[in-house]
Amino acid sequence: DAGVTQSPTHLIKTRGQQVTLRCSPKSGHDTVSWYQQALGQGPQFIFQYYEEEERQRGNFPDRFSGHQFPNYSSELNVNALLLGDSALYLCASSPDVTANTGELFFGEGSRLTVL
Amino acid sequence: AQSVTQLGSHVSVSEGALVLLRCNYSSSVPPYLFWYVQYPNQGLQLLLKYTTGATLVKGINGFEAEFKKSETSFHLTKPSAHMSDAAEYFCAVSKMNRDDKIIFGKGTRLHILP
Repeated sequence: DAGVTQSPTHLIKTRGQQVTLRCSPKSGHDTVSWYQQALGQGPQFIFQYYEEEERQRGNFPDRFSGHQFPNYSSELNVNALLLGDSALYLCASSPDVTANTGELFFGEGSRLTVL
Repeated sequence: AQSVTQLGSHVSVSEGALVLLRCNYSSSVPPYLFWYVQYPNQGLQLLLKYTTGATLVKGINGFEAEFKKSETSFHLTKPSAHMSDAAEYFCAVSKMNRDDKIIFGKGTRLHILP
């Protein structure tokens, strides 16, 4: 049973560019959350998707947007990249019934470097 | 607003010694509390969680944590450290509400000395 898979694992972009990160949730999971983890920091909540809609959002600007597809996979898009967007982006999935009771399953992340 | 404070960004213990990682939380409502572990170049893995009921919770790899409401603490312990315990540990909190997000602390890196 495959766990949460994310792609790409590493990527380098320049300021002003746009990036799309992808996530496939664990089998049987329908809720996807995205987190940003800057170097030396804990994960910061970006947003959560359920039934193809953004259910809740953290304190991130509108440059950060997402999407969830009918097969529950998800994308994170970041426009107009800034140097400060350099971080590890983590995707986490869960069955909806446990979405906020801690049963998050994390992927290994996509490390974004903005030059 | 909820928040988590982890005391000590780095903790070093000798192999076989007691591990104690400190976590204090702030929440206006009864919280759910968690500890996650992150090994190098990997995602986070749930170690243990407190939702309701018994305040002493046991997790994987011999770790346990005790919810102390009066102290707003949820410290993580392990009686005897092993080299494989070297990792980053994150304490996290959420409300007892399925529609709320999980808030993570800044993490504590645990070093095991031979």
